[in-house]
Amino acid sequence: QKEVEQNSGPLSVPEGAIASLNCTYSDRVSQSFFWYRQYSGKSPELIMSIYSNGDKEDGRFTAQLNKASQYVSLLIRDSQPSDSATYLCAVNGFGGGNKLVFGAGTILRVKS
Amino acid sequence: GAVVSQHPSWVICKSGTSVKIECRSLDFQATTMFWYRQFPKQSLMLMATSNEGSKATYEQGVEKDKFLINHASLTLSTLTVTSAHPEDSSFYICSARDGLVNEQFFGPGTRLTVL
Repeated sequence: QKEVEQNSGPLSVPEGAIASLNCTYSDRVSQSFFWYRQYSGKSPELIMSIYSNGDKEDGRFTAQLNKASQYVSLLIRDSQPSDSATYLCAVNGFGGGNKLVFGAGTILRVKS
Repeated sequence: GAVVSQHPSWVICKSGTSVKIECRSLDFQATTMFWYRQFPKQSLMLMATSNEGSKATYEQGVEKDKFLINHASLTLSTLTVTSAHPEDSSFYICSARDGLVNEQFFGPGTRLTVL
């Protein structure tokens, strides 16, 4: 079983719609969860962090965490073509360690 | 805030030469920095964890004698690819962990091409 799993996509949504990106993780002791956006040929950019169960909103982005289900998601409201990128889920604290474990990423395509 | 720089942004070198890549945290102190490699259309691969003032911790399968890491200060880590070969051509990305906010920020990456 992969430590952090994401659907590779591509996930295609029309402009203005809500994009829903999902991620599951295997280590119950993980404490910190992050979403990064990576445009083709560029390095990842941190867009959201979440540490507690529930929702966290920042502009058009909402991160949701459910530690009991070992599940974290990212919602993007009013999706724009500029949101088209690969979204990486990252989990910190695997086995009590300090490094981030990344999922393989979900490709999002927003069609205008 | 939370800016990480890398230099150079791209480099082309001949096979057998060594290449040094610098990673700097510009507005925070980073006790821990990480080095990743990413091949086209593939996932990020963690190469090593660099701790200020101590030896780097390498991931399984990464040759520590080939990829030399030095973390001499709280704002600077360097990766030296020694005796580079064409198969080392890749996108090398560093990241720095801001311990105050428990978040990790990436540099813009260095694209290495070995001829």
